[in-house]
Amino acid sequence: DAGVIQSPRHEVTEMGQEVTLRCKPISGHDYLFWYRQTMMRGLELLIYFNNNVPIDDSGMPEDRFSAKMPNASFSTLKIQPSEPRDSAVYFCASSGETQYFGPGTRLLVL
Amino acid sequence: GEDVEQSLFLSVREGDSSVINCTYTDSSSTYLYWYKQEPGAGLQLLTYIFSNMDMKQDQRLTVLLNKKDKHLSLRIADTQTGDSAIYFCAELPNRDDKIIFGKGTRLHILP
Repeated sequence: DAGVIQSPRHEVTEMGQEVTLRCKPISGHDYLFWYRQTMMRGLELLIYFNNNVPIDDSGMPEDRFSAKMPNASFSTLKIQPSEPRDSAVYFCASSGETQYFGPGTRLLVL
Repeated sequence: GEDVEQSLFLSVREGDSSVINCTYTDSSSTYLYWYKQEPGAGLQLLTYIFSNMDMKQDQRLTVLLNKKDKHLSLRIADTQTGDSAIYFCAELPNRDDKIIFGKGTRLHILP
């Protein structure tokens, strides 16, 4: 298995632009998680899905953030409009018995 | 509430053993995990232990669980430069809940 796949790996954008991060979980995993990691706040859980249904989105910072999981093999995290304070590494993870992380998307908002 | 605590830094000489400690608060945790994050990379699952186990060994790694004290430790024998990373302790309160991560311990290897 290729593991959790995220794209893009790096994203540089200007403030106000829309950003879409993508994730393909490991086949057969029924949970999908989106995290954000910064030096200041560490690793934060944003939202997670079970069988494509959002279970807990209490970690989503603002209405500018939204996440979808239209099917078992794909999820997106969207930021619209983006702001410089959104700059971070965004990880997607999926789990069956144990949780595996993707390589992350490094987002820089100028 | 649920919380996982670990020290932020640890320095160890190459060849010595490293012991990274962690405490958690939820006694219903079913799984406890150690993840490793190398610079510029994602979190990699190192090992995990079921809550009904006291110890798990995997090559240079030894995980000890003291359920009474809610204390988890990771011992790395013969520490190498490649072990330099951030190590995250994490707990899963029950099968359907999200994993709770600590803030990570940065392991620095001294020559």
